[in-house]
Amino acid sequence: AQSVTQLDSQVPVFEEAPVELRCNYSSSVSVYLFWYVQYPNQGLQLLLKYLSGSTLVKGINGFEAEFNKSQTSFHLRKPSVHISDTAEYFCAVSFIRRRDSNYQLIWGAGTKLIIKP
Amino acid sequence: NAGVTQTPKFRVLKTGQSMTLLCAQDMNHEYMYWYRQDPGMGLRLIHYSVGEGTTAKGEVPDGYNVSRLKKQNFLLGLESAAPSQTSVYFCASSQQSFGSTDTQYFGPGTRLTVL
Repeated sequence: AQSVTQLDSQVPVFEEAPVELRCNYSSSVSVYLFWYVQYPNQGLQLLLKYLSGSTLVKGINGFEAEFNKSQTSFHLRKPSVHISDTAEYFCAVSFIRRRDSNYQLIWGAGTKLIIKP
Repeated sequence: NAGVTQTPKFRVLKTGQSMTLLCAQDMNHEYMYWYRQDPGMGLRLIHYSVGEGTTAKGEVPDGYNVSRLKKQNFLLGLESAAPSQTSVYFCASSQQSFGSTDTQYFGPGTRLTVL
């Protein structure tokens, strides 16, 4: 069965330091991969997505993610974080179900990014 | 362009009471979704709709009902609220096929507490 694992529930990091938020998935079929961000007291919004092509995907606010098929990972990175990046980040995986050929979207549990001044 | 809006933002219910959450989108999207978000569990799909007049069960549908009488609105009902339904509820919409390559657009959420 398909699954998404975000290995860290919280990641504290100092302002202007780099950060990596980890996402691993398990799937026997091709997938599409997404990162969404949820700022405090707001709904989720798309940061970036991988559909095909270059494995390095650039998103909004200076974030990027790299799709690694062999390691089934889609880690999110930013070279220098700002206090405004304080948020919860969700990884999601979309795939086609074999049993009915419909799409399904599975969400990770989320990682809270805590920026320390 | 308001995007996706949700009403109300907060609500406190007593066990056994009923209520309806309203979601509205102005992007003319075909697909709409109701999720619940609980700590450490990410988002779980309650029900969804692939078009006006259609609804389908998601991952955790028990205790909820939905209706999509108009394309822009998607209502979530709790028939008899239970403390286990204390959660933050998000509505989302998308233009293309559910869960495919398309981006989902989310409302700001409704925080529901059931005492």
